[in-house]
Amino acid sequence: AAGVIQSPRHLIKEKRETATLKCYPIPRHDTVYWYQQGPGQDPQFLISFYEKMQSDKGSIPDRFSAQQFSDYHSELNMSSLELGDSALYFCASSSRDRDSPLHFGNGTRLTVT
Amino acid sequence: DAKTTQPNSMESNEEEPVHLPCNHSTISGTDYIHWYRQLPSQGPEYVIHGLTSNVNNRMASLAIAEDRKSSTLILHRATLRDAAVYYCILSPGNQFYFGTGTSLTVIP
Repeated sequence: AAGVIQSPRHLIKEKRETATLKCYPIPRHDTVYWYQQGPGQDPQFLISFYEKMQSDKGSIPDRFSAQQFSDYHSELNMSSLELGDSALYFCASSSRDRDSPLHFGNGTRLTVT
Repeated sequence: DAKTTQPNSMESNEEEPVHLPCNHSTISGTDYIHWYRQLPSQGPEYVIHGLTSNVNNRMASLAIAEDRKSSTLILHRATLRDAAVYYCILSPGNQFYFGTGTSLTVIP
């Protein structure tokens, strides 16, 4: 079965650069979530989208933005990167059914040097 | 976001049952109880979820207290591949906030 696809798998950027992470949800899933997981930390919710509209907002820095496109894929844009942004970034998708579970991708490992 | 409390770590012997507890005394009537697990450097993996009744699937069982203020994830026969961090999450639907999970060590 098709899973959530994230690209790239690894990304190395320098401080103050920008980065764009992409997420392709499972077909027919209309809701996308983004999470950040620092070394040794638990996943922190950043933001979610339903039907291309922002659905919920968590601890996403102002330097980050995200959107969901008409084909339901989502992109997380990160600007003015800081060393502390180095983390695993996970995307998850689900359907809008209230008891629909999350399906996660394998993540993008961002390293800021 | 509703809070959950889990032990930081647990150990189990291989091929023995494991009971992973979760307390959620502030759960609301519309919150589903979800369990996910995460292996190192991998994305979290859905395990099971339920609302009021106990649930079984091929991976595990979920036992929910009658007052819904606690639940227990049951792995019937732990294998080395079950070593992971297990997260209990309350979700009213479309909101999933991770707390501090339980790191399960399986001893051969």
